Amino acid sequence: EDKVVQSPLSLVVHEGDTVTLNCSYEVTNFRSLLWYKQEKKAPTFLFMLTSSGIEKKSGRLSSILDKKELFSILNITATQTGDSAIYLCAVEAPYSGNTGKLIFGQGTTLQVKP
Amino acid sequence: NAGVTQTPKFQVLKTGQSMTLQCAQDMNHEYMSWYRQDPGMGLRLIHYSVGAGITDQGEVPNGYNVSRSTTEDFPLRLLSAAPSQTSVYFCASSYSRGRGSYNSPLHFGNGTRLTVT
Repeated sequence: EDKVVQSPLSLVVHEGDTVTLNCSYEVTNFRSLLWYKQEKKAPTFLFMLTSSGIEKKSGRLSSILDKKELFSILNITATQTGDSAIYLCAVEAPYSGNTGKLIFGQGTTLQVKP
Repeated sequence: NAGVTQTPKFQVLKTGQSMTLQCAQDMNHEYMSWYRQDPGMGLRLIHYSVGAGITDQGEVPNGYNVSRSTTEDFPLRLLSAAPSQTSVYFCASSYSRGRGSYNSPLHFGNGTRLTVT
């Protein structure tokens, strides 16, 4: 059965700290891995990763994929209170015919204290 | 610049009642889907559609129906609400989810929080 597991499930840090969120997966015919940030409402897209070893970066956030060891990490440096959110990892795999579906992990809840 | 619009934002139902959650997108996306989000379980796919007139079941379809008469709209119907359907429901869309869809992240609506008593 396809599975995506995130760790830790929750994390509390102070402003300025660096955090690393983990996402491991077991899926058949991997297509891509996506990271989303969810504050109070809709998950918003952060990164899509398809190739191993290529870091994607956006400001203080960065992510990398290891397709051999089947995991990805999301790093946030110099955390701010606005980074407090649930971070969702999802892996795309074929579902029906050519159509893919996203398999989501449970999410990591990050709280950044002032 | 509306994106994906869901209505209502909140709903309380009694067991056995039926209702429709509305979803509309203005990005001309082919693919639309419904997820439910429950604590500790992540997002789970209920139903999806790859284009107007085409729908299919996701992981947890029981108790829900969908239709896709237009590209823009993808309503989710609860036939006879049960307390187990208490959840937050998200509609999401993208250009496609076929083999060549590596650059098609899902765009989510703001969710509908449903409580069934």
